[in-house]
Parts: sequence; C-alpha cells; structure tokens
Amino acid sequence: SQTIHQWPATLVQPVGSPLSLECTVEGTSNPNLYWYRQAAGRGLQLLFYSVGIGQISSEVPQNLSASRPQDRQFILSSKKLLLSDSGFYLCAWSSDRGNIQYFGAGTRLSVL
Amino acid sequence: AQSVTQLDSQVPVFEEAPVELRCNYSSSVSVYLFWYVQYPNQGLQLLLKYLSGSTLVKGINGFEAEFNKSQTSFHLRKPSVHISDTAEYFCAVSLSGYSTLTFGKGTMLLVSP
Repeated sequence: SQTIHQWPATLVQPVGSPLSLECTVEGTSNPNLYWYRQAAGRGLQLLFYSVGIGQISSEVPQNLSASRPQDRQFILSSKKLLLSDSGFYLCAWSSDRGNIQYFGAGTRLSVL
Repeated sequence: AQSVTQLDSQVPVFEEAPVELRCNYSSSVSVYLFWYVQYPNQGLQLLLKYLSGSTLVKGINGFEAEFNKSQTSFHLRKPSVHISDTAEYFCAVSLSGYSTLTFGKGTMLLVSP
C-alpha cells in the first residue's frame, strides 16, 4: 500500500533562517505531488505541484520554492523565512491519472 | 476558474443529532467533488468523493453527500453524530481531467454531549 511521510512534524525557526521540509511517498511510482499551506481560518492554499522529476508548477508567488529531485521526493524550501510563512504545511500525492489526493500528517511551522 | 464556498465556518451540534455541512461550488465545466476531514494537528483524510454515477455517495464513518448539479451543491450529512466526529471538514473540487484541487475554507463541526 502507498504511504506518505512528512518531516519534521513541528519546526520553530527564526525570521531570516532557511527552511527545508521534506515529503516522500512509498508504494507508487510517478505520483503527482503537492504542497499546501493552511493558515487559520483560510482553508488550504495550493503552493506547488509537480507531475514529474524537475517539473514544478507554482500557484502563488511567494518566499518559497519547491524541488523534486527524485520521483517520490518533494522538498519545500526557503532561503529566508518571513513571519508570514508560519502555518501548517501539508504534502499530498495522487496517481498520475487520479484526482484523489492523499495527505501527509503535516508540518507545523512557527517563524518567530 | 472553479471555486468552493462552505457557508458555515462553525456548526455546533449535540451528540446523536443529525448534521448537514453545506458546500456550494462554481464551475462552468464538469467537476469532481470531495469531502475531507481533518482532526487537530493532523493531515486530511478523504471522507467521500463524487466522480460520476449515483449522485448520493456514501463515505467512511457514516457520512454521505449528495451531488446536486442544478444547485451546484455537495452537502455532507450524517444522521447521528458522535463526539469523535468533532473535526474540521473541507469540501474540495477538481475539474474533470485535472488533478489540482480547490478547497473551501472549512467547517468546524463541534459535537457536545
């Protein structure tokens, strides 16, 4: 069966520090991968999605970037964090032909 | 572009009462519809989905939803809620043939004894 892993679960970072959040999927190949941010009372905002290695689509301009160095690995990064980057970050995957997305447990990021 | 509106940010109910969480969408083309549940500090779990076929779909934990194309709605229902159903519920839509989802802002279901 397929599983999705996100780490770390929680992270506290100072303003201006770099960020790297990792997401990996097991048990499937060539998945579509997604990064979402969830801010209180604002639902889920799609940040990036990828349909293959090195292929990244950005949904909103911001202080973040994403990379997909391997088929089942998706990384969310920032060179310098802002206070507004605080939130709950969720990674998700779907099959390359499917619409159903399956979510990881999330990372709670606090930028202080 | 498609959009999703969840009319209630919070719905308080008593245990064993019925509940309906409302979801409306806007799209000019065919859509797929989903309900996800999120327990505190956890990821989202798929409750149910409508892709095609019967407009009444049944999901996990006794939930069901009905797709109403004329009213562009996909309301979630449960005939008798439990304390353990306390969570945030998200409605989502995707366009047929596309994999990205658009989410509503969520409805917090608060079940009290």
